[in-house]
Amino acid sequence: SQQGEEDPQALSIQEGENATMNCSYKTSINNLQWYRQNSGRGLVHLILIRSNEREKHSGRLRVTLDTSKKSSSLLITASRAADTASYFCATERPPANAGNMLTFGGGTRLMVKP
Amino acid sequence: EAGVAQSPRYKIIEKRQSVAFWCNPISGHATLYWYQQILGQGPKLLIQFQNNGVVDDSQLPKDRFSAERLKGVDSTLKIQPAKLEDSAVYLCASSPIQRSLTNYGYTFGSGTRLTVV
Repeated sequence: SQQGEEDPQALSIQEGENATMNCSYKTSINNLQWYRQNSGRGLVHLILIRSNEREKHSGRLRVTLDTSKKSSSLLITASRAADTASYFCATERPPANAGNMLTFGGGTRLMVKP
Repeated sequence: EAGVAQSPRYKIIEKRQSVAFWCNPISGHATLYWYQQILGQGPKLLIQFQNNGVVDDSQLPKDRFSAERLKGVDSTLKIQPAKLEDSAVYLCASSPIQRSLTNYGYTFGSGTRLTVV
Protein backbone atom coordinates (compact mmCIF):
# COMPACT_ATOMS: atom_id res chain seq x y z
CA SER A 1 0.00 0.00 0.00
CA GLN A 2 1.18 3.55 -0.65
CA GLN A 3 1.54 5.82 2.34
CA GLY A 4 1.73 9.13 0.52
CA GLU A 5 -0.46 10.61 -2.15
CA GLU A 6 0.75 13.48 -4.28
CA ASP A 7 -1.38 16.23 -5.68
CA PRO A 8 -1.59 17.15 -8.49
CA GLN A 9 -0.75 14.02 -10.47
CA ALA A 10 0.50 16.19 -13.32
CA LEU A 11 1.57 19.82 -13.52
CA SER A 12 2.57 21.88 -16.55
CA ILE A 13 4.10 25.35 -16.11
CA GLN A 14 6.22 27.86 -17.97
CA GLU A 15 9.90 28.32 -17.27
CA GLY A 16 10.42 30.87 -14.51
CA GLU A 17 7.17 30.08 -12.72
CA ASN A 18 6.98 28.37 -9.35
CA ALA A 19 5.81 24.77 -9.02
CA THR A 20 4.04 23.52 -5.92
CA MET A 21 3.42 19.85 -5.22
CA ASN A 22 1.54 18.49 -2.24
CA CYS A 23 1.76 15.21 -0.40
CA SER A 24 -0.57 13.67 2.16
CA TYR A 25 0.15 10.60 4.26
CA LYS A 26 -1.70 8.42 6.70
CA THR A 27 0.41 7.33 9.68
CA SER A 28 2.92 8.93 12.02
CA ILE A 29 6.39 9.32 10.56
CA ASN A 30 10.02 9.83 11.49
CA ASN A 31 10.68 11.99 8.47
CA LEU A 32 9.42 12.79 5.00
CA GLN A 33 11.62 12.86 1.94
CA TRP A 34 11.23 14.16 -1.59
CA TYR A 35 12.80 12.44 -4.57
CA ARG A 36 13.10 13.31 -8.22
CA GLN A 37 13.04 10.84 -11.10
CA ASN A 38 13.88 11.64 -14.68
CA SER A 39 12.26 9.43 -17.28
CA GLY A 40 13.80 5.97 -17.29
CA ARG A 41 16.26 6.75 -14.53
CA GLY A 42 16.65 6.04 -10.82
CA LEU A 43 15.42 8.24 -8.00
CA VAL A 44 17.52 11.09 -6.68
CA HIS A 45 17.10 12.30 -3.13
CA LEU A 46 16.27 16.01 -2.94
CA ILE A 47 15.52 16.87 0.65
CA LEU A 48 14.58 15.33 4.00
CA ILE A 49 12.45 16.99 6.66
CA ARG A 50 12.09 15.50 10.11
CA SER A 51 8.82 15.19 11.97
CA ASN A 52 9.84 17.93 14.43
CA GLU A 53 10.68 20.38 11.63
CA ARG A 54 8.18 22.61 9.88
CA GLU A 55 10.12 24.07 6.97
CA LYS A 56 13.35 23.42 5.16
CA HIS A 57 15.18 25.04 2.25
CA SER A 58 17.73 23.74 -0.23
CA GLY A 59 18.64 26.00 -3.13
CA ARG A 60 15.45 26.59 -5.11
CA LEU A 61 13.56 24.00 -3.09
CA ARG A 62 11.34 24.74 -0.12
CA VAL A 63 9.63 21.97 1.80
CA THR A 64 7.01 22.36 4.50
CA LEU A 65 5.62 19.73 6.83
CA ASP A 66 2.39 19.87 8.84
CA THR A 67 2.21 16.78 11.01
CA SER A 68 -1.19 17.75 12.40
CA LYS A 69 -2.62 17.59 8.89
CA LYS A 70 -0.27 14.80 7.79
CA SER A 71 0.76 16.80 4.75
CA SER A 72 3.82 18.26 3.08
CA SER A 73 4.48 20.53 0.16
CA LEU A 74 7.43 20.95 -2.18
CA LEU A 75 7.94 24.32 -3.83
CA ILE A 76 10.36 24.74 -6.70
CA THR A 77 10.99 28.41 -7.36
CA ALA A 78 12.02 29.93 -10.68
CA SER A 79 11.55 26.63 -12.50
CA ARG A 80 13.75 25.60 -15.40
CA ALA A 81 13.14 23.23 -18.29
CA ALA A 82 15.66 20.89 -16.65
CA ASP A 83 13.31 20.54 -13.66
CA THR A 84 10.99 18.46 -15.85
CA ALA A 85 10.71 15.12 -14.05
CA SER A 86 8.49 13.13 -11.70
CA TYR A 87 8.61 14.09 -8.05
CA PHE A 88 7.80 11.64 -5.27
CA CYS A 89 7.25 12.11 -1.59
CA ALA A 90 8.24 9.26 0.68
CA THR A 91 7.65 8.77 4.35
CA GLU A 92 10.00 6.94 6.66
CA ARG A 93 8.63 5.23 9.71
CA PRO A 94 9.93 2.46 11.90
CA PRO A 95 8.33 -0.93 11.47
CA ALA A 96 7.88 -3.37 14.33
CA ASN A 97 11.32 -4.84 13.65
CA ALA A 98 14.67 -3.15 13.26
CA GLY A 99 15.35 -0.79 10.40
CA ASN A 100 13.20 1.80 8.75
CA MET A 101 10.71 1.60 5.91
CA LEU A 102 10.46 4.18 3.15
CA THR A 103 7.03 4.27 1.50
CA PHE A 104 6.40 6.26 -1.66
CA GLY A 105 3.41 8.06 -3.06
CA GLY A 106 2.28 7.97 -6.66
CA GLY A 107 4.25 11.03 -7.76
CA THR A 108 3.64 14.32 -9.54
CA ARG A 109 4.75 14.57 -13.15
CA LEU A 110 6.09 18.09 -13.69
CA MET A 111 6.63 19.56 -17.12
CA VAL A 112 8.38 22.91 -17.41
CA LYS A 113 7.98 24.47 -20.82
CA PRO A 114 10.81 26.67 -22.13
CA GLU B 1 31.78 7.62 -3.67
CA ALA B 2 30.49 5.03 -6.14
CA GLY B 3 26.74 4.75 -6.42
CA VAL B 4 24.45 1.75 -6.23
CA ALA B 5 25.19 -0.54 -9.17
CA GLN B 6 22.48 -2.60 -10.82
CA SER B 7 22.50 -4.99 -13.73
CA PRO B 8 21.26 -5.71 -16.25
CA ARG B 9 19.91 -2.37 -17.37
CA TYR B 10 17.16 -3.92 -19.49
CA LYS B 11 15.70 -7.39 -19.76
CA ILE B 12 13.00 -8.83 -22.01
CA ILE B 13 11.72 -12.31 -21.27
CA GLU B 14 8.72 -14.43 -22.13
CA LYS B 15 6.14 -15.22 -19.49
CA ARG B 16 6.92 -18.28 -17.38
CA GLN B 17 10.65 -17.74 -17.87
CA SER B 18 13.02 -16.92 -15.02
CA VAL B 19 15.04 -13.76 -14.51
CA ALA B 20 17.54 -12.48 -11.97
CA PHE B 21 18.65 -8.97 -11.09
CA TRP B 22 21.83 -7.99 -9.31
CA CYS B 23 22.58 -5.09 -6.98
CA ASN B 24 25.81 -3.86 -5.42
CA PRO B 25 25.09 -1.23 -2.76
CA ILE B 26 27.31 1.58 -1.62
CA SER B 27 30.25 0.27 0.37
CA GLY B 28 29.47 0.19 4.06
CA HIS B 29 25.72 0.55 3.67
CA ALA B 30 24.19 -2.12 5.86
CA THR B 31 20.61 -1.73 4.67
CA LEU B 32 19.54 -2.74 1.18
CA TYR B 33 16.10 -2.44 -0.41
CA TRP B 34 14.44 -3.78 -3.53
CA TYR B 35 11.56 -1.77 -4.95
CA GLN B 36 9.21 -2.51 -7.84
CA GLN B 37 8.01 0.45 -9.87
CA ILE B 38 5.22 -0.15 -12.35
CA LEU B 39 4.93 2.46 -15.10
CA GLY B 40 3.13 5.56 -13.89
CA GLN B 41 3.23 4.55 -10.21
CA GLY B 42 5.48 5.17 -7.25
CA PRO B 43 8.01 2.54 -6.13
CA LYS B 44 6.70 -0.26 -3.93
CA LEU B 45 8.97 -1.93 -1.40
CA LEU B 46 9.47 -5.63 -2.04
CA ILE B 47 12.10 -6.55 0.53
CA GLN B 48 14.47 -4.91 2.99
CA PHE B 49 17.75 -6.42 4.22
CA GLN B 50 19.88 -5.35 7.12
CA ASN B 51 23.29 -6.91 6.58
CA ASN B 52 22.37 -10.43 5.42
CA GLY B 53 19.10 -10.66 7.35
CA VAL B 54 15.60 -9.91 6.06
CA VAL B 55 13.91 -7.05 7.93
CA ASP B 56 10.70 -6.93 5.93
CA ASP B 57 9.43 -9.00 3.00
CA SER B 58 5.72 -8.65 3.63
CA GLN B 59 5.04 -7.34 0.11
CA LEU B 60 7.23 -9.85 -1.71
CA PRO B 61 5.15 -12.35 -3.74
CA LYS B 62 6.98 -15.32 -2.31
CA ASP B 63 5.38 -17.86 -4.63
CA ARG B 64 7.47 -16.44 -7.48
CA PHE B 65 9.90 -13.86 -6.09
CA SER B 66 12.98 -14.57 -4.02
CA ALA B 67 15.90 -12.46 -2.88
CA GLU B 68 19.12 -13.05 -1.06
CA ARG B 69 22.06 -11.14 0.34
CA LEU B 70 24.32 -13.94 1.42
CA LYS B 71 27.42 -12.02 2.52
CA GLY B 72 25.68 -8.84 3.54
CA VAL B 73 26.92 -6.96 0.48
CA ASP B 74 25.60 -7.83 -3.01
CA SER B 75 22.02 -8.91 -3.48
CA THR B 76 20.09 -10.77 -6.15
CA LEU B 77 16.35 -10.67 -6.82
CA LYS B 78 14.85 -13.54 -8.79
CA ILE B 79 11.48 -14.04 -10.42
CA GLN B 80 10.44 -17.58 -11.34
CA PRO B 81 8.19 -17.93 -13.25
CA ALA B 82 7.55 -14.43 -14.56
CA LYS B 83 4.08 -13.10 -15.31
CA LEU B 84 3.04 -10.27 -17.61
CA GLU B 85 2.19 -8.09 -14.59
CA ASP B 86 5.81 -8.30 -13.41
CA SER B 87 6.78 -5.85 -16.15
CA ALA B 88 8.25 -2.96 -14.21
CA VAL B 89 11.46 -1.25 -13.21
CA TYR B 90 13.20 -2.97 -10.31
CA LEU B 91 15.10 -0.50 -8.18
CA CYS B 92 17.74 -1.25 -5.60
CA ALA B 93 18.57 1.24 -2.86
CA SER B 94 20.93 1.29 0.10
CA SER B 95 21.41 3.34 3.23
CA PRO B 96 23.60 3.23 6.31
CA ILE B 97 21.99 1.97 9.53
CA GLN B 98 22.63 5.10 11.57
CA ARG B 99 20.58 7.54 9.53
CA SER B 100 18.63 9.12 12.32
CA LEU B 101 21.13 11.94 12.78
CA THR B 102 21.70 12.63 9.11
CA ASN B 103 19.80 14.47 6.43
CA TYR B 104 20.64 11.94 3.79
CA GLY B 105 18.04 9.92 1.99
CA TYR B 106 18.40 6.58 0.38
CA THR B 107 20.69 6.12 -2.61
CA PHE B 108 19.04 4.42 -5.55
CA GLY B 109 20.52 2.58 -8.49
CA SER B 110 19.39 3.25 -12.05
CA GLY B 111 17.15 0.19 -12.00
CA THR B 112 16.50 -2.79 -14.25
CA ARG B 113 13.64 -2.38 -16.68
CA LEU B 114 11.91 -5.74 -17.09
CA THR B 115 9.49 -6.44 -19.91
CA VAL B 116 7.58 -9.71 -19.82
CA VAL B 117 5.98 -10.64 -23.15
